[in-house]
Amino acid sequence: DTGVSQDPRHKITKRGQNVTFRCDPISEHNRLYWYRQTLGQGPEFLTYFQNEAQLEKSRLLSDRFSAERPKGSFSTLEIQRTEQGDSAMYLCASSWPGSYEQYFGPGTRLTVT
Amino acid sequence: LAKTTQPISMDSYEGQEVNITCSHNNIATNDYITWYQQFPSQGPRFIIQGYKTKVTNEVASLFIPADRKSSTLSLPRVSLSDTAVYYCLVGEEDNAGNMLTFGGGTRLMVKP
Repeated sequence: DTGVSQDPRHKITKRGQNVTFRCDPISEHNRLYWYRQTLGQGPEFLTYFQNEAQLEKSRLLSDRFSAERPKGSFSTLEIQRTEQGDSAMYLCASSWPGSYEQYFGPGTRLTVT
Repeated sequence: LAKTTQPISMDSYEGQEVNITCSHNNIATNDYITWYQQFPSQGPRFIIQGYKTKVTNEVASLFIPADRKSSTLSLPRVSLSDTAVYYCLVGEEDNAGNMLTFGGGTRLMVKP
């Protein structure tokens, strides 16, 4: 296993468009997390899954944000009707339950024009 | 999760030992202290975790005094490639969320 992967690495979109990002975690990890990071700030937690169950989603930034992990493996993060303020790095991480050692992917950098 | 305070930035030179101190006055009994490293355009990377006294691995050492209200990450003989942002996090390992709460981190610049 080569680690957590994210696709695409970069996405440029026009305001108002929908975007979807994919995360493939380390295969034996059943926890998967999404974070957002803006320039000069630390990552900000958005949501997480244990297997296919989304156990925390109150930190999603608005109802335009949604995430899925349908079969407990890969996950997608969708942003509808993008706004310029959504421009950021979106990071995915995975871990074993109960561990603070999370393995992060390289991130998807979103630019909304 | 306990709030952490750490210096915004630090400078060092190659070959020196670097110590980054983090304050966490409200740390709870069950909280662990974890440090992450982040290079530009990459996701954070776990460095070390501890509960009390001293922990050492191949990358760093973590010193935690008896009152656990602070901790110090020690990087021995830094190189240019250690230039990164270092985050101190405090939280309970077995809580339901394990959602990491990052602060602003310490930007370490290693100079030749």
